[in-house]
Amino acid sequence: DTAVSQTPKYLVTQMGNDKSIKCEQNLGHDTMYWYKQDSKKFLKIMFSYNNKELIINETVPNRFSPKSPDKAHLNLHINSLELGDSAVYFCASSPGLAGEVPYNEQFFGPGTRLTVL
Amino acid sequence: GNSVTQMEGPVTLSEEAFLTINCTYTATGYPSLFWYVQYPGEGLQLLLKATKADDKGSNKGFEATYRKETTSFHLEKGSVQVSDSAVYFCALSDTYNFNKFYFGSGTKLNVKP
Repeated sequence: DTAVSQTPKYLVTQMGNDKSIKCEQNLGHDTMYWYKQDSKKFLKIMFSYNNKELIINETVPNRFSPKSPDKAHLNLHINSLELGDSAVYFCASSPGLAGEVPYNEQFFGPGTRLTVL
Repeated sequence: GNSVTQMEGPVTLSEEAFLTINCTYTATGYPSLFWYVQYPGEGLQLLLKATKADDKGSNKGFEATYRKETTSFHLEKGSVQVSDSAVYFCALSDTYNFNKFYFGSGTKLNVKP
């Protein structure tokens, strides 16, 4: 009964390919996120969705496109992969608003290590 | 803008030593502050948090106090164990957009038996 799950765990691909990473949470949370962690462990937010609506969209190349079919799923599609896209991508979720009190503790998935050759 | 600065690692300690990992932040308003821990091959887990000035977050023997006057949230533990070896991240959530988190660069802790 994993709380936040991601697939695949490892992804090795060639430059120029298109790939997707899937994320699912079974916590009943309203908000989901994608983060990128580079080789120096620096973690940066990319996108966030609340109830399937995009609420955070950082300066990310438009080759990256998130999709949220429902509030339990947030997928990340990457077109025309580049060497610099190699990183660990983390999905996370948080409860959102509990009444009128923001409750933003983030629960992270195990990560997807993307290697672009 | 918002940012978080952590001391660079790695930090190497012997078991039962005292741990301090420094964290300072820049933010407008009154952010919430967090410490997350990442064990090898895993995602980040919340370790502790503080939502207002002078609050102390604590969990599993770790503590951190929200110091607005020094814009700091240093992590401490009185006696570390080998099992505490991990990467520790300081983070804040934006005052006006609580879903937006800013993380420090992480500090790797190695504890030797």
